[in-house]
Amino acid sequence: DAGVTQSPTHLIKTRGQQVTLRCSPKSGHDTVSWYQQALGQGPQFIFQYYEEEERQRGNFPDRFSGHQFPNYSSELNVNALLLGDSALYLCASSWGTGAGAFFGQGTRLTVV
Amino acid sequence: KQEVTQIPAALSVPEGENLVLNCSFTDSAIYNLQWFRQDPGKGLTSLLLIQSSQREQTSGRLNASLDKSSGRSTLYIAASQPGDSATYLCAVGGNNRLAFGKGNQVVVIP
Repeated sequence: DAGVTQSPTHLIKTRGQQVTLRCSPKSGHDTVSWYQQALGQGPQFIFQYYEEEERQRGNFPDRFSGHQFPNYSSELNVNALLLGDSALYLCASSWGTGAGAFFGQGTRLTVV
Repeated sequence: KQEVTQIPAALSVPEGENLVLNCSFTDSAIYNLQWFRQDPGKGLTSLLLIQSSQREQTSGRLNASLDKSSGRSTLYIAASQPGDSATYLCAVGGNNRLAFGKGNQVVVIP
């Protein structure tokens, strides 16, 4: 079992550009959540996808959007990048409500 | 809105001492509570998951307790080792999301 895999591991983008991050959930998991972790902070919830629909959303602007595919993998898209979007982006997968979440290694995004 | 606080923010202990990490949360309507370990620049590794109906969970040298009514959880690490140096994050599960504290940064001194 490969666990949760994220790609790419590192990314450098210019302010104003757009970025797409990818996540493959742990085998058997049907729910994918995305989190943003700024340096020295705890992860902040962005949104959650289940059955290809956004089920929950945190306090993030519409520049942050996502998608879930029929094989449960997911993408996080961020438009019009700001310097403040620089962070570690974490993907978590789970199955059902109340089950534990498993996290990937994250994508380090740097906006210059 | 769920608020999660972890105290202390950072601590250093000599090898062999027991570690006690505290987590408090404001809303007791939770599904579960998870403790994670994070090494610098890396993702999160799940250590223990406590369901809302449980009082504690144990795995090897790790033990976590949950008191929902008082909004508290404690992670105990027995006989600490230098390899335990990391940031430990408490996450409260509810309403299809996890709410995290800022973490306890631990250094175990050989």
